[in-house]
Amino acid sequence: AQRVTQPEKLLSVFKGAPVELKCNYSYSGSPELFWYVQYSRQRLQLLLRHISRESIKGFTADLNKGETSFHLKKPFAQEEDSAMYYCALSPAGTALIFGKGTTLSVSS
Amino acid sequence: GAGVSQSPRYKVTKRGQDVALRCDPISGHVSLYWYRQALGQGPEFLTYFNYEAQQDKSGLPNDRFSAERPEGSISTLTIQRTEQRDSAMYRCASSSLGGGTGELFFGEGSRLTVL
Repeated sequence: AQRVTQPEKLLSVFKGAPVELKCNYSYSGSPELFWYVQYSRQRLQLLLRHISRESIKGFTADLNKGETSFHLKKPFAQEEDSAMYYCALSPAGTALIFGKGTTLSVSS
Repeated sequence: GAGVSQSPRYKVTKRGQDVALRCDPISGHVSLYWYRQALGQGPEFLTYFNYEAQQDKSGLPNDRFSAERPEGSISTLTIQRTEQRDSAMYRCASSSLGGGTGELFFGEGSRLTVL
């Protein structure tokens, strides 16, 4: 079955601390993976996708096919990173499957 | 318009009533998606269209739910004989690419409350 698992509902860190939001997936084919983010009172929006291999707002995510993971990382968290983060899987030819999301709270 | 527009933003209805939720995608976007999001959960896929063709409706929970996109632009999600368990945020998204690929641009959502 195709599935995205985000094991943490809430992750609380202090400003300047490293952040890792975990995501594991289940998919038999070649996966295409994304991170979407929803800031307070804003729309759900794309943060980054694995095929781009880019850093957005200091965040990176590496696809690990052996561990079927796509964890989101940032070395130094900022208060403006506080938001809801969703990992998503795009199976071939059909719509995105989202995880349940992780709330990231960054405090000073 | 500049972004995906959904209406109404908030809808409160009584059990048994029908509701229609509207989505106006970004102009020219090929595909349009409907998701449902319950509190504390991630967006759950309902259905999607490429142009006017409904490509996948496997996520619609039962036959009370239907969707259309007759001219390949605006879409309507209709829920007949609403039940309390239908209460959720209904999210629409569009993409410039078809086939379930590409970046999704989301609307602000329609929050449905069934009393």
